[in-house]
Amino acid sequence: DSGVTQTPKHLITATGQRVTLRCSPRSGDLSVYWYQQSLDQGLQFLIQYYNGEERAKGNILERFSAQQFPDLHSELNLSSLELGDSALYFCASSKFQEGNTIYFGEGSWLTVV
Amino acid sequence: GQNIDQPTEMTATEGAIVQINCTYQTSGFNGLFWYQQHAGEAPTFLSYNVLDGLEEKGRFSSFLSRSKGYSYLLLKELQMKDSASYLCAVRDRSGGYQKVTFGTGTKLQVIP
Repeated sequence: DSGVTQTPKHLITATGQRVTLRCSPRSGDLSVYWYQQSLDQGLQFLIQYYNGEERAKGNILERFSAQQFPDLHSELNLSSLELGDSALYFCASSKFQEGNTIYFGEGSWLTVV
Repeated sequence: GQNIDQPTEMTATEGAIVQINCTYQTSGFNGLFWYQQHAGEAPTFLSYNVLDGLEEKGRFSSFLSRSKGYSYLLLKELQMKDSASYLCAVRDRSGGYQKVTFGTGTKLQVIP
């Protein structure tokens, strides 16, 4: 158990809908990362937050947004969902912005039908 | 941007040693990670290198050469449970921010 908690673990929704994925980082970790992993694909970096502020942005679609709250949990919002958004979404955390260990949650499986 | 290259697949024999290579190109290198990932599961942290040289941790070792943009992960005394994907990830600190980018991973199959 990495200490990073993600909910929900599984989610099935229809095209055009909107979902919110939630992440609680490890206790004491200030940095949160979001990654997308499609079937048989690598981990695609989406976005990183540090202590509530956006620090880095990857290839995140405009339909997607995220935020980190004062209690350090983070949410990833996916809207106008398309079939191609079906993937495993990972949250990860580290103590510092440039931590030497990044711990991953178990992921949220999103299926868009 | 970053380019991270790893072999797609490798096969090795139980009890043997295997070396998984990773090459990268980045303008603001600030660390390299290796992760293990079993299918459908979360990546598990294996090692972190930011300075040149070898880091050893039990059966796993990781090497970095910053001047060559090259790293390898060495797995000794292979076990069947080591069958997994091994991901190389590079932290880049260019453009005023830093991000961690993963390679597509090397799928290692350990055979008896």
